[in-house]
Order: sequence, then structure tokens, then C-alpha cells
Amino acid sequence: NAGVTQTPKFRVLKTGQSMTLLCAQDMNHEYMYWYRQDPGMGLRLIHYSVGEGTTAKGEVPDGYNVSRLKKQNFLLGLESAAPSQTSVYFCASSYSSGRAGSSSYEQYFGPGTRLTVT
Amino acid sequence: GDSVTQMEGPVTLSEEAFLTINCTYTATGYPSLFWYVQYPGEGLQLLLKATKADDKGSNKGFEATYRKETTSFHLEKGSVQVSDSAVYFCALSRNDMRFGAGTRLTVKP
Repeated sequence: NAGVTQTPKFRVLKTGQSMTLLCAQDMNHEYMYWYRQDPGMGLRLIHYSVGEGTTAKGEVPDGYNVSRLKKQNFLLGLESAAPSQTSVYFCASSYSSGRAGSSSYEQYFGPGTRLTVT
Repeated sequence: GDSVTQMEGPVTLSEEAFLTINCTYTATGYPSLFWYVQYPGEGLQLLLKATKADDKGSNKGFEATYRKETTSFHLEKGSVQVSDSAVYFCALSRNDMRFGAGTRLTVKP
């Protein structure tokens, strides 16, 4: 099993450009997540999905869109990149979100995408 | 809302030293608690977890005990190795996963 994979690993964008980050998992997980990691701030949830065809906003959703057309893939889009979106982006997946009755499930993380917006 | 506070780093230790990284949480109800580790250039990996009060999670010589009375989940290891150098994240999960800011550990030979 490859686990959770992310493409690309690195990317440099100019302000205003758009791009899509791809996350894929082969563990048949229902739940998938996109986080951003900034120095001194831990991980912050951008968007998440509880199943194919469904998405929801997390803590910091502004400036991002997501889609989950297939269960194994979760795409993160930046329509008009800004320097404030310079960050490391992590995708994760799990059997459950941790909602009632299932809070013990761990999340499995991809290796990350380092994005720089100039 | 739910939150996690962990000790600020960086932490620098000599090989075979004792490690403690403090973590406290704020949450209503009974969250599950986790420690994740991030090695350079990699994503986060689960190190250990505890799902109810007084549970002790352990893995690779690391331990943490879920203390509801002090709302804490401190990470400990009796003898660290150079290979333990990484960033450690405390996290809780109730309705969703909340992470602490991370503590960078460097172990010198």
C-alpha cells in the first residue's frame, strides 16, 4: 500500500496564479482532510470530506476550494494564489472524523506539498 | 472551543537524557488524545494515543498518560536517541482533530 500520496511535492506560484494539489489514498478511508502547516501554528484544517461527493469547511477555508469526485482522491484548489498562502500543505485520511462514538481513529498523513507564492 | 497547548521548543538534549514534553488540553466531554511525530521532510505519523482517562499510550519507548484531572497528556521517554530528533505534536480528537503548535526536539550525540 502506498498510503497517502500528494502531488506535487514542491511548487512556486506567482500572485494570482491558480493551481490544484492532488491527494490520493489507497486505504479505502471515508474521511479526507487538507491542512496547512505554518511555523509556530501547528496544523490548521482547511477543508475536509466525509465521503465521495461531499466537502465541508474547516478552520481556515478562505481562498481554497476542494472536490471529492472519487473516494480515493481529494483535490485542493487555489483559484488566485496570494503570498499568505505560502505554506506546507498536508493531506490526511481516516476511517472516521472522530465524531460521536468514533473519536479514537487516527489520521494518516501524506508527505506534504511545499508551496511558495511570490 | 477545543484546543491543545504544548511546551514551546526547541528542546535540545544529549543522547540518553530523559525527555518530557508537556501537553495540556481544553475540551468538553471526553476527547481522544494523540502524539504525532514529524521527521524532517515527512508527514506526521502517529506515535501513540489514549482514548480514555488513565489510559497510557506507549510506542518505541515513548509513553503518555491521559490525566483528566489535570487535562494533560505529557510525552516522556527515559533515554532519547539521535534518531528521535523530530517535531512532536500533541493532538485531541472529539468532533475533529486539533493540533498543538509542535515541539522541535534535537538530540545530540
